[in-house]
Amino acid sequence: NAGVMQNPRHLVRRRGQEARLRCSPMKGHSHVYWYRQLPEEGLKFMVYLQKENIIDESGMPKERFSAEFPKEGPSILRIQQVVRGDSAAYFCASSLQGTSSSPSDTQYFGPGTRLTVL
Amino acid sequence: AQKITQTQPGMFVQEKEAVTLDCTYDTSDPSYGLFWYKQPSSGEMIFLIYQGSYDQQNATEGRYSLNFQKARKSANLVISASQLGDSAMYFCAMREGGSYKLIFGSGTRLLVRP
Repeated sequence: NAGVMQNPRHLVRRRGQEARLRCSPMKGHSHVYWYRQLPEEGLKFMVYLQKENIIDESGMPKERFSAEFPKEGPSILRIQQVVRGDSAAYFCASSLQGTSSSPSDTQYFGPGTRLTVL
Repeated sequence: AQKITQTQPGMFVQEKEAVTLDCTYDTSDPSYGLFWYKQPSSGEMIFLIYQGSYDQQNATEGRYSLNFQKARKSANLVISASQLGDSAMYFCAMREGGSYKLIFGSGTRLLVRP
């Protein structure tokens, strides 16, 4: 009964490079959420996706960041031309029911990807 | 506006004692859910317990219980019989009924002393 999988766990990039973070939701979950955690802070919502659809990307920076959740394969969070301020832990979560659910729809988190930009 | 406040940046507790981690929230939506997550030093986020705004009883999950005081808008986490492995960051989070975004507090770092 695998949980949410994320890879890589750690990613080091130089300024200007691209970062690709992958997330496979729990079995049976089709709702994926990405959050960012800066050091010593709580998580901040970035984007919510269902298969082949971006439902809400209001927490995503307008430039350089994009996300997808294709019909087949994991969800991808892509950061182009990374800068030092992108250094953070990026968490993916998945849930069973999504937007139309009651508040009890629990989001289960993956182990996170720690991005370091040199 | 939705808001979660955790006023205790850090706390100590002696092993085997109980500890309460504070969480207050603000929302105008009558339907909402409150969640607690644990983040150990390894970094993953572990779901602990959930409380719904319409739940009549306080939630319990093993050694975790939630002291839910709706009128005060507080949802404190109580950990009984603390263990060394409970040392971690603890985050309170809220989700309104029609929303999917979890709003997180700033966390409380708990250290269990042997």
